[in-house]
Amino acid sequence: RKEVEQDPGPFNVPEGATVAFNCTYSNSASQSFFWYRQDCRKEPKLLMSVYSSGNEDGRFTAQLNRASQYISLLIRDSKLSDSATYLCVSASSGYSTLTFGKGTMLLVSP
Amino acid sequence: NAGVTQTPKFRVLKTGQSMTLLCAQDMNHEYMYWYRQDPGMGLRLIHYSVGEGTTAKGEVPDGYNVSRLKKQNFLLGLESAAPSQTSVYFCASSDIWTGDDYGYTFGSGTRLTVV
Repeated sequence: RKEVEQDPGPFNVPEGATVAFNCTYSNSASQSFFWYRQDCRKEPKLLMSVYSSGNEDGRFTAQLNRASQYISLLIRDSKLSDSATYLCVSASSGYSTLTFGKGTMLLVSP
Repeated sequence: NAGVTQTPKFRVLKTGQSMTLLCAQDMNHEYMYWYRQDPGMGLRLIHYSVGEGTTAKGEVPDGYNVSRLKKQNFLLGLESAAPSQTSVYFCASSDIWTGDDYGYTFGSGTRLTVV
């Protein structure tokens, strides 16, 4: 079983829609969590870190539930420019190596 | 403000040939990493380094060797390329935990095809 699992999608949504991505992790030693965004044929880029208290950055909201080992990303008012693959990522305590999920593709259409 | 630079960007190899991928960072980061990304597989860690002169194996190290002789450079070598090593290779560097993230910076990738 892969350490970080995501629904691969693709998620096809119209502009303005709200879309939610879910992610589960199996390594209970994982301490830090992130969402990365990857555009086609480009390198991954950090979208936001995920905190237990939940955190928001503009239209993006991330949540972490340690008891359920579950992470989510909510995108409100989707834009065409949000079309990309969203990677759920974990890191274990004491290490800086990241474990990536396979990614969920989002396609936002006019 | 280059960040992380990977060379080459593209390469086609014949089975059995060898090559070295170079990663250079100018942010004075201690940690450097090599990942590979295959369709439907996500990024997987090949090798990493926690400082000059150190290397460690990641999730998929077989068929690769690495060296970190200088802090700013991390080399990935393929001694005898195989078609299964056709992939996109990403190098990254990071600093210590800042309380928010590791400050990971990725290079733009090397697309390698082994025929």
